[in-house]
Formats: sequence, C-alpha cells, structure tokens
Amino acid sequence: HSVLTQPPSVSGAPGQRVTISCTGSSSNIGAGYDVHWYQQLPGAAPTLLIYSNTHRSPGVPARFSGSQSGTSASLAITELEAGDEADYYCQSYDNSLSGSRVFGGGTKLTVL
Amino acid sequence: QVHLQESGPGLVKPSQTLSLTCSVTGGSISRSGFYWSWIRQHPGRGLEWIGHIFYNGSTYYNPSLKSRLTISLDTSKNQFSLRLNSVTAADTAVYYCARGGWTQDNWFDPWGQGTLVAVSS
Repeated sequence: HSVLTQPPSVSGAPGQRVTISCTGSSSNIGAGYDVHWYQQLPGAAPTLLIYSNTHRSPGVPARFSGSQSGTSASLAITELEAGDEADYYCQSYDNSLSGSRVFGGGTKLTVL
Repeated sequence: QVHLQESGPGLVKPSQTLSLTCSVTGGSISRSGFYWSWIRQHPGRGLEWIGHIFYNGSTYYNPSLKSRLTISLDTSKNQFSLRLNSVTAADTAVYYCARGGWTQDNWFDPWGQGTLVAVSS
C-alpha cells in the first residue's frame, strides 16, 4: 500500500496523449511538498523526468509535462512514442512519517 | 557530472547483515550540501525509500526499517554505505543509491545502476 496512489496501468496509441495521476493527502502533496516524476525503462534504473511539480529534467522532451493541484499531481505525455513505454513513478515528502520520502506505486504505460 | 555506483554481495543468508556501498565520483559527498540516499525495488514491485544521510552526517530512515538500518558516510573514500540487520527473504530487492537533493522534499538524481541482493540460505 503506497502513500501516493497511481493507476496501475495506462495505455495509448502512438501520437496520442495520456495522463498519469498521483493522489496524495494533506500530509504530503496537500501540504505543499513538491512532486517529482521518474521514468523506469525495462531493465534500467529510474531516471528523473520532472522535478518540483512542473520542471523538466535536462534532456527531457517538451512532450512530458507535470502539474499539481490540491492533493494531486499529474504527468502528461503527448505525441506518444513506442520508446515511452515504461513504468512511471511519482515521489514526494510526507510529514507524518518521521520525515519520509514517499513514492507512488507506479504506473505501467503501454504504447499500443 | 556526478556518478554513483553500488557494490556489495549479491547473496546474503537470512538473519545476517546486508552491507552495500555506494561510490560517488564527480563531486565530494562531504562538501556538497546534499542528501545521499538508498532506495530499493522488490522484484516486480514499486520503489521504496530506505533512508538517507545528509552531507553533515545526519540520518533519516524509513520508519519501517529504522530498527535494522544504519547509513553512514566514509568521506575519505567518497562513499556512503547501508547496513541492514536481520534480513529475511522480504529484503530481496534491487538496491539503488542516489543523490537526494538538498532539502527534505527534493528529488533523487542521479541514480546508480542498482544491485540485486537476494536473501537466501
């Protein structure tokens, strides 16, 4: 059971747009703590995609964007490509867990 | 550019201690102002923050692991280490080290490639 809730899977055809949600609570996202997003390609370590809610990591295409509102955050991917097929994780900080950083359970993106 | 690399045994017996080291190149861990972190991923599962150590030696641990966990710095070797006591099969995972930013709610970047540790007799 993850502190941040993500859908287990999303899918879309090449060229389409998908969004991945990350729902938290008043002790993490709702408390104003930043949300960060990671992409994990098959067999690889996670890499930073979006930091501080909306900022793309260097080298990340503009097709990837992040947003945050209230107790939730979202990752949007436009113009889907086959190479986007991966697991995506959100991460934040929770002030009710002795200063813990917390992850979402991850979302598997399938490009149809 | 900072680069991190995990090292340590790939197999640990139940009830023993899991010890891993993360070697950092491209920057000093003691003068950096950063958190240095450990994260694990159980087979086929999501990511779990284990804990981290600030450049000044202050440590922060996942409450679920705190009683068994020690994270330390070796500034002479520019490394930081993880020790997890009394391991069980539930500790079998890929263990990643990462730089954890400079405030408590920062991100992890970069990451090491990860090392698989199996707990088995």
